[in-house]
Amino acid sequence: GAGVSQSPSNKVTEKGKDVELRCDPISGHTALYWYRQSLGQGLEFLIYFQGNSAPDKSGLPSDRFSAERTGGSVSTLTIQRTQQEDSAVYLCASSSARTGRNGELFFGEGSRLTVL
Amino acid sequence: GNSVTQMEGPVTLSEEAFLTINCTYTATGYPSLFWYVQYPGEGLQLLLKATKADDKGSNKGFEATYRKETTSFHLEKGSVQVSDSAVYFCALTGTGANNLFFGTGTRLTVIP
Repeated sequence: GAGVSQSPSNKVTEKGKDVELRCDPISGHTALYWYRQSLGQGLEFLIYFQGNSAPDKSGLPSDRFSAERTGGSVSTLTIQRTQQEDSAVYLCASSSARTGRNGELFFGEGSRLTVL
Repeated sequence: GNSVTQMEGPVTLSEEAFLTINCTYTATGYPSLFWYVQYPGEGLQLLLKATKADDKGSNKGFEATYRKETTSFHLEKGSVQVSDSAVYFCALTGTGANNLFFGTGTRLTVIP
């Protein structure tokens, strides 16, 4: 498709399990972002990939969170040993060099994670 | 650090009513300011932006003016439609920042 694609759209897991969330950015977009939206909170920045540069991981809340971006395209956000406070909607966005400079990010519909 | 505070919702209006959603910000430097919108079942998308003081961003009948003196970027529309029902997010970025800082979002419902 033409937009940012995320999967799964919904994930229910048990506390302590690991989860992987996938993001397929818009073709040709060099920048990829992960955000988290918890109930009643704004979008919390998690991590940012730009081309082949080292990612900006400054927003990851703990070492249980990690993300990879393979081949400069698809990204996977992994949460290990999930906790109930990890329950949120995880949003992925991408941008080109031009649109990123203008602050225009293109978002997917998100992956809703529920940790029981 | 950079942050935005936006009006809590939800907001319910009748069609053709005037809309204001307040947004104020705290930032170092000279941020650019944005409004993003999320329609039901869709991802967030950029609605409008302003990059310097006194700039007015506009799109789809919505407007917002970058007010440095009041550190505000309030979203307005003169006559809302049912199709404007969505969640609206105020956001800002700093010079050279790699990401946007978002508000909590304001849900707008327009009833016929």
